[in-house]
Amino acid sequence: EADIYQTPRYLVIGTGKKITLECSQTMGHDKMYWYQQDPGMELHLIHYSYGVNSTEKGDLSSESTVSRIRTEHFPLTLESARPSHTSQYLCASSEAGDWETQYFGPGTRLLVL
Amino acid sequence: AQSVAQPEDQVNVAEGNPLTVKCTYSVSGNPYLFWYVQYPNRGLQFLLKYITGDNLVKGSYGFEAEFNKSQTSFHLKKPSALVSDSALYFCAVRADTGRRALTFGSGTRLQVQP
Repeated sequence: EADIYQTPRYLVIGTGKKITLECSQTMGHDKMYWYQQDPGMELHLIHYSYGVNSTEKGDLSSESTVSRIRTEHFPLTLESARPSHTSQYLCASSEAGDWETQYFGPGTRLLVL
Repeated sequence: AQSVAQPEDQVNVAEGNPLTVKCTYSVSGNPYLFWYVQYPNRGLQFLLKYITGDNLVKGSYGFEAEFNKSQTSFHLKKPSALVSDSALYFCAVRADTGRRALTFGSGTRLQVQP
């Protein structure tokens, strides 16, 4: 099992609230990623980072933002949650030179009412 | 642009029989190919990868995959399926140059019947 953690695991929240999904890894990986996945469906890359102070948007347009102030921490923030944000969010990390073998956290299931 | 196709939404196989989960890809340059498995309410777990070398790659839990460059395929296989193999399987690809992030397929649900 990889040492990558996500909190909370489940979150139910009302429309308009600001939320932050936490992701931490203890492997010292430079690269980290956020994916959005509807149940049983494909993963869509929404953000990635190649190191501290480096963030990029992914393939799927997202109203979320990310930050990478520390190597081990890659939080994702929604300033104003909407029902369309209801989904599962998966965080992953990979080591530079490991040919992008990504290790995934357990995910956060978000329900916006 | 890079893409992955998993043509089967679901594969059903009896326990003890061989299984194949199909994957084809499109990428500019040489591909790096991966298989991941997702169990219910869990994150994705890495199964195996192809970077270079032998076209037959062996991975976790008795799975293997065969890289076929001419057919741009990377099918996942196992000689004898177990009920516990039932899960969602994702193929992923990235090119050896350019953008480093993986592109995932839509997933194939494997159902192994006792």
